[in-house]
Amino acid sequence: RKEVEQDPGPFNVPEGATVAFNCTYSNSASQSFFWYRQDCRKEPKLLMSVYSSGNEDGRFTAQLNRASQYISLLIRDSKLSDSATYLCVVNGVGNQFYFGTGTSLTVIP
Amino acid sequence: GAGVSQSPSNKVTEKGKDVELRCDPISGHTALYWYRQSLGQGLEFLIYFQGNSAPDKSGLPSDRFSAERTGGSVSTLTIQRTQQEDSAVYLCASSLTAAGAGADEQFFGPGTRLTVL
Repeated sequence: RKEVEQDPGPFNVPEGATVAFNCTYSNSASQSFFWYRQDCRKEPKLLMSVYSSGNEDGRFTAQLNRASQYISLLIRDSKLSDSATYLCVVNGVGNQFYFGTGTSLTVIP
Repeated sequence: GAGVSQSPSNKVTEKGKDVELRCDPISGHTALYWYRQSLGQGLEFLIYFQGNSAPDKSGLPSDRFSAERTGGSVSTLTIQRTQQEDSAVYLCASSLTAAGAGADEQFFGPGTRLTVL
C-alpha cells in the first residue's frame, strides 16, 4: 500500500463550481499534513498546511480526519487560475515526507 | 529574498556518464531535501540533510546515487554511471527545521531536468 494515495482525476469543473479532493495516508503516526500546488512543468508550492481542527484560507478549506486517516481540500468558487495539480503531503517515518501523485484540476470557462 | 536555486536547469547526458546537480537552499534553512519526479509521477524522496547530523539516505535508489552538503549550505547530488531510467526532474527543497510535529513548509527549487540518452 502506498504511503499516500490520491485520486489522480482529472477533475474538469466550470468556473464558480465547488470541488473537493481527498487523500488517504497509511501511517497513523503522521503528524504533519500539507496541500501543495504544482503548475505544469513548475516546482510544487505550498498551498496550505492542514491542522487538526481544520482550517480555511479564503476559498480553500482543508480538513483532517485522523480516525479515517484522510485529509481533504475544498475549493469554492473555482477560478481559471486554480487549474493545477494538487499534491497531498504527509510526513512519515523519520525525516521523510510522502507526496501523493497529485490530483489534476482544470477549471473551464 | 532569494529562493532555492538549482543548477543546471537542464542536463542531457549519455548513458554511463556521471552527473552532478547543485542546490543552493534558502539562507538560514537547516533542512535540505532531494526528490525526483518522473513524468506524470509523484515526488520520490531521495535524501535529507538536517544541520550537521548524518543525512537520511534511505530514499536513494542505488549506490550510484550520492549527495553531500558542504558547510550546511550548498548540496550536490551525484549520479554515477547514469542509466536511462534516471531521466527525471530532480527537485531540491529546503525548510527552516526538520520533519516531524509542526514541520515547516518546504520551499522548492525550479528543478534540474535530467535526460539520459
